[in-house]
Formats: sequence, structure tokens, C-alpha cells
Amino acid sequence: AQTVTQSQPEMSVQEAETVTLSCTYDTSESNYYLFWYKQPPSRQMILVIRQEAYKQQNATENRFSVNFQKAAKSFSLKISDSQLGDTAMYFCAFMRANAGNMLTFGGGTRLMVKP
Amino acid sequence: DVKVTQSSRYLVKRTGEKVFLECVQDMDHENMFWYRQDPGLGLRLIYFSYDVKMKEKGDIPEGYSVSREKKERFSLILESASTNQTSMYLCASTVAGGGNTGELFFGEGSRLTVL
Repeated sequence: AQTVTQSQPEMSVQEAETVTLSCTYDTSESNYYLFWYKQPPSRQMILVIRQEAYKQQNATENRFSVNFQKAAKSFSLKISDSQLGDTAMYFCAFMRANAGNMLTFGGGTRLMVKP
Repeated sequence: DVKVTQSSRYLVKRTGEKVFLECVQDMDHENMFWYRQDPGLGLRLIYFSYDVKMKEKGDIPEGYSVSREKKERFSLILESASTNQTSMYLCASTVAGGGNTGELFFGEGSRLTVL
């Protein structure tokens, strides 16, 4: 079984600054995917960024990037130039390859962006 | 855009009542999921369905059942609600097979309080 751990229940950052959210996972699988999902207050959860384990290059999506350390089983999310709209719950998630979109989620990190 | 609609945003029920949570998606997705979201625990999978009339247990199926009579609709049923089922319930859908990207499309959630 896989486990996903987010060790920071809450974080805050000033607008325009950079923040990094941590995630570690435990698995014996060699082929898998990792994700960061965002859940804004009272709104639907959406996918922020996706990383294939077989790719060494870290994924980036505009202001969002990841630091994927496969050996350490670490998958952090960096948000650059933080905006007020980034205020949300952020969930790290793991999926085995060919698992039919079965995701295992971490406990979440609540991020507050302050003006 | 994919739309996943959950019938009730907020519900208050009494212990022992039967509760139905409805979810409808409009993108012809094969896979549908019911998650439960609790602080610090993240999202935990209750049940999922990969086709009409098909269902599989997730990590925490006890006390719940599901129904999928039509492809677009996936219902979660609490046969006899208990106070420990007070939670936020999230429905999600996604494509199956070759579209196995791990991108789930979520509804806005149904916050259930059992008194």
C-alpha cells in the first residue's frame, strides 16, 4: 500500500513571494505518477501539476513547479510570485501506473496568501 | 468544460436516517468516485465505479453503498447515518483506459452533518 504524507498542515506567504509545500510518499512501485491538486475555498478541486516518475525533468506549469526526488521519495511544490488566488488547500497525490486513476491523497496543506 | 454536479452542498440529517448523495457528470466519463474529506486525513476513497452497474470498494466502504444505474450518475447511500459520518463528500469522474492520466474532475462537495 502507498502512503502520502504532507507534514505542513498550514502555511502562509506574502503576496509576490515564493513558497514551497512538502510531500513525501512511500511505495515499492517503480512506475507511478505524482500530482498536486488545489482546492480553493468553497470551490472544486482542480489538478495543478503532474509528474511521471520515469521522467527526470521536473514538471512546471507557469508559476508552479515541482522538485521531484525519486530516491528520497519527495515531491515538493513551489509556487512563485504567489497571488491571492493561490489561497487554497493543496493535496499531494500518488497513483500507480495502470491503476485506473486510483489516487492516494495526502492530508493536505492549507496555504494562505497574505496581501 | 467538464462539469461534475453534486445535488446538495449542505445537508443536516438525524442519526439513523437514510441519506442519498447524488452526483452527475456531463462528459461521458467511464470512471466515477466517491471520496470522503476530513481535516488532516485528506481524501479517502469510499467507492468507485468503472461502468454502469459496476462498483468496487475503496479504502473505507463500511457504512456506505453506491448505485450506478446510468453512466452519468453515481449515488452514494448511507443506509443508517451515524455521527461519525459527518464529513465533506466529494464526487469525481474521469476517463478510463488510454486516458489514464490521473486527472480527476471533482464536484463542489456535499457537507453532511449527522446529529
